[in-house]
Amino acid sequence: DVKVTQSSRYLVKRTGEKVFLECVQDMDHENMFWYRQDPGLGLRLIYFSYDVKMKEKGDIPEGYSVSREKKERFSLILESASTNQTSMYLCASSSHGALEEKLFFGSGTQLSVL
Amino acid sequence: AQKITQTQPGMFVQEKEAVTLDCTYDTSDPSYGLFWYKQPSSGEMIFLIYQGSYDQQNATEGRYSLNFQKARKSANLVISASQLGDSAMYFCAMREVSGSARQLTFGSGTQLTVLP
Repeated sequence: DVKVTQSSRYLVKRTGEKVFLECVQDMDHENMFWYRQDPGLGLRLIYFSYDVKMKEKGDIPEGYSVSREKKERFSLILESASTNQTSMYLCASSSHGALEEKLFFGSGTQLSVL
Repeated sequence: AQKITQTQPGMFVQEKEAVTLDCTYDTSDPSYGLFWYKQPSSGEMIFLIYQGSYDQQNATEGRYSLNFQKARKSANLVISASQLGDSAMYFCAMREVSGSARQLTFGSGTQLTVLP
């Protein structure tokens, strides 16, 4: 079974802290994604990566950065956490982009910024 | 403009009945794919069904079927014989060929509650 693992299920941080959300996949997938999920807004794409050290901005990249030093690991970084970044963060991966290629998701990290 | 629109924030259905979850989409790409995912309260996203824009037949996967009406740009999910375990959030999503063509764009979701 494909496994996408997010390091924390729940995280509580203070405003201004630097926050790292880690994601690891074990299926040698090229593509990895970070989405943010908010009630009434669905999932919105923050950043994605299609190769090691490659990254592309999604729809809402402001306030976030990412790192992909190894193929299996994709990190989301909040340089200075703010309360409006309190949300559920979902990591996903997929193989090369055939149209029907589905995304495999991790269980999510519920981040609270106080 | 929203690319994926789910107009039903919440739906209720009686156990063993069928239910339709609405999804409309907006794209100018001739080739695209449509997906439905289920998210139970545990938070994991579970892939349910896929429909390609050029597929002639509506997709089916067990109790799930996708009512694809291309001219109307709708891709409604039909769940037959609802079960209590179907209670979850359901998301419609689309992949377009244009651009990087790798990510999925999601709708806002429909919370389905199955009543005993």
